[in-house]
Amino acid sequence: DTEVTQTPKHLVMGMTNKKSLKCEQHMGHRAMYWYKQKAKKPPELMFVYSYEKLSINESVPSRFSPECPNSSLLNLHLHALQPEDSALYLCASSQVNGQGGNSEQFFGPGTRLTVL
Amino acid sequence: RKEVEQDPGPFNVPEGATVAFNCTYSNSASQSFFWYRQDCRKEPKLLMSVYSSGNEDGRFTAQLNRASQYISLLIRDSKLSDSATYLCAVNSVNQGGKLIFGQGTELSVKP
Repeated sequence: DTEVTQTPKHLVMGMTNKKSLKCEQHMGHRAMYWYKQKAKKPPELMFVYSYEKLSINESVPSRFSPECPNSSLLNLHLHALQPEDSALYLCASSQVNGQGGNSEQFFGPGTRLTVL
Repeated sequence: RKEVEQDPGPFNVPEGATVAFNCTYSNSASQSFFWYRQDCRKEPKLLMSVYSSGNEDGRFTAQLNRASQYISLLIRDSKLSDSATYLCAVNSVNQGGKLIFGQGTELSVKP
């Protein structure tokens, strides 16, 4: 089952709201990722978790807070976002190949976020 | 210079045409290479991993040239359903799991 699920599909929030994005995979992958994608642009990496530990933070503002409760789940907590944070937020997962890199990443369908 | 560069297109081709995409990368430590397909308002879907020996899957052929630091994707006998954006992605051994994407090339196959 090569499936990554994400909820919610769509989210509209105000700048003072707190919300969370959720991601789940059951492929036994030990690396999970958050990406942000704006229209007509490629996905941009935000965070990488490897073996449930944060391994990469691409200098993301603290209003985005990732959490990896276990090897299957990944959350992204949102607080005090700005309208320019409106984008498609993609979760992905992969195996860790033990050579410093990772294998193919499989993406979830994304959460389309609008910040008013 | 961007780490991974792709011609953004768009490529407009008739059904049945052969179309080739190229992607260059600047980090010689790059280790893994992929082609993804992304339909409008959908997530990227893995199309092919790219191996040193080249690989083929039906109408799709991917090749890697380490000396010149580029990867290519060839689509033969293109179908209307091939219309999408094609993204190359590169992973370097010294960057953990970080995938660097090219800008994507938009393909439109017309009847």
